[in-house]
Amino acid sequence: DTAVSQTPKYLVTQMGNDKSIKCEQNLGHDTMYWYKQDSKKFLKIMFSYNNKELIINETVPNRFSPKSPDKAHLNLHINSLELGDSAVYFCASSQGVTGGPFEQYFGPGTRLTVT
Amino acid sequence: KQEVTQIPAALSVPEGENLVLNCSFTDSAIYNLQWFRQDPGKGLTSLLLIQSSQREQTSGRLNASLDKSSGRSTLYIAASQPGDSATYLCAVTGGSNYKLTFGKGTLLTVNP
Repeated sequence: DTAVSQTPKYLVTQMGNDKSIKCEQNLGHDTMYWYKQDSKKFLKIMFSYNNKELIINETVPNRFSPKSPDKAHLNLHINSLELGDSAVYFCASSQGVTGGPFEQYFGPGTRLTVT
Repeated sequence: KQEVTQIPAALSVPEGENLVLNCSFTDSAIYNLQWFRQDPGKGLTSLLLIQSSQREQTSGRLNASLDKSSGRSTLYIAASQPGDSATYLCAVTGGSNYKLTFGKGTLLTVNP
């Protein structure tokens, strides 16, 4: 069974479109994250949710809006896509009431290409 | 602001060789340090996690050390195999919101 899953795995779209990426974890974790890995392979946190509450928001454009319907899911919606949004987006989760300094488990990534 | 640096950026070794990957971080106020492996086009796999109170962790042929006061960690891989070829990422957890900060990784190639 996949611990952290993301859909879709690949997403190709045109500039100006709106798209969503979904993430689900079946580990019973309280905290979920979104990371962006750019073309230079540098991985950087975007958002973190703990029990459906936003706890990290790393100066990401407000075109990016995370949504957590329950603690097992954290979706990422992106409005008005730009060329610079092309990257691999990773979802991750960890246990702990406030996220804690716990081990993070990563999903397989979603490769977003904006043309 | 925490910064994590990994040296070297790329490393190519013959099969069977022992090797060391280096990671350094600027803010020693960390909760833990995690080493990950990333295969091309794949997600991240956690290899080892060292809590700030620990000095090292071992898993099979892998041994990770942590010197929090000097802001350094090493990942030692014994008897390397072609299957070890991947990018190895170091990340530290710190701050009131337990943010994970990554290095840019070391691309390891083990030649048969």
